[in-house]
Amino acid sequence: KAGVTQTPRYLIKTRGQQVTLSCSPISGHRSVSWYQQTPGQGLQFLFEYFSETQRNKGNFPGRFSGRQFSNSRSEMNVSTLELGDSALYLCASSQGNVESPLHFGNGTRLTVT
Amino acid sequence: QQQVKQSPQSLIVQKGGISIINCAYENTAFDYFPWYQQFPGKGPALLIAIRPDVSEKKEGRFTISFNKSAKQFSLHIMDSQPGDSATYFCAASYYKLIFGTGTRLQVFP
Repeated sequence: KAGVTQTPRYLIKTRGQQVTLSCSPISGHRSVSWYQQTPGQGLQFLFEYFSETQRNKGNFPGRFSGRQFSNSRSEMNVSTLELGDSALYLCASSQGNVESPLHFGNGTRLTVT
Repeated sequence: QQQVKQSPQSLIVQKGGISIINCAYENTAFDYFPWYQQFPGKGPALLIAIRPDVSEKKEGRFTISFNKSAKQFSLHIMDSQPGDSATYFCAASYYKLIFGTGTRLQVFP
């Protein structure tokens, strides 16, 4: 079974630009969650989508948004990029129950200059 | 109340030793406590998990100890090996998974 695929692996953007990250979940998984990973802050929850609906949301500004398509693939968008948005963005898929393990992709490394 | 506090931030252990990572939480609604392991360049992967009605769970060299009254839980890695060198995250969940800040473990031969 193919794992979670995130594209691209690396991105360099300039302040004020916007960016879209993509995530393809494991086949059959209906839940996709997004996390921001930075040194010292650990993994911070952005949002979760389940069957194309945002089910949970973290404490990030509205510049961070996402969506999920009917095939469970998900995209995350960050508008008006700030230097502090530089981080590793991780996508995880699961079957959607609380105890379902999260299967993470290897992340997209975003650098904002 | 949503936070999970993890310590230490980094840990150096000799091969064969015991690695201990501790976590604490405030929200009593949390009802599932997994640990994730992350190697450089990879996403985290589930290592072991426990529910609060169990005080200890062991899988091979990895053991979770859970103290519900103290709202604390810990990961013990027995006979630590260089291959265990990774970053470990505790987490807690009741409708979404909240992660600790991570512990970087280095095991030296």
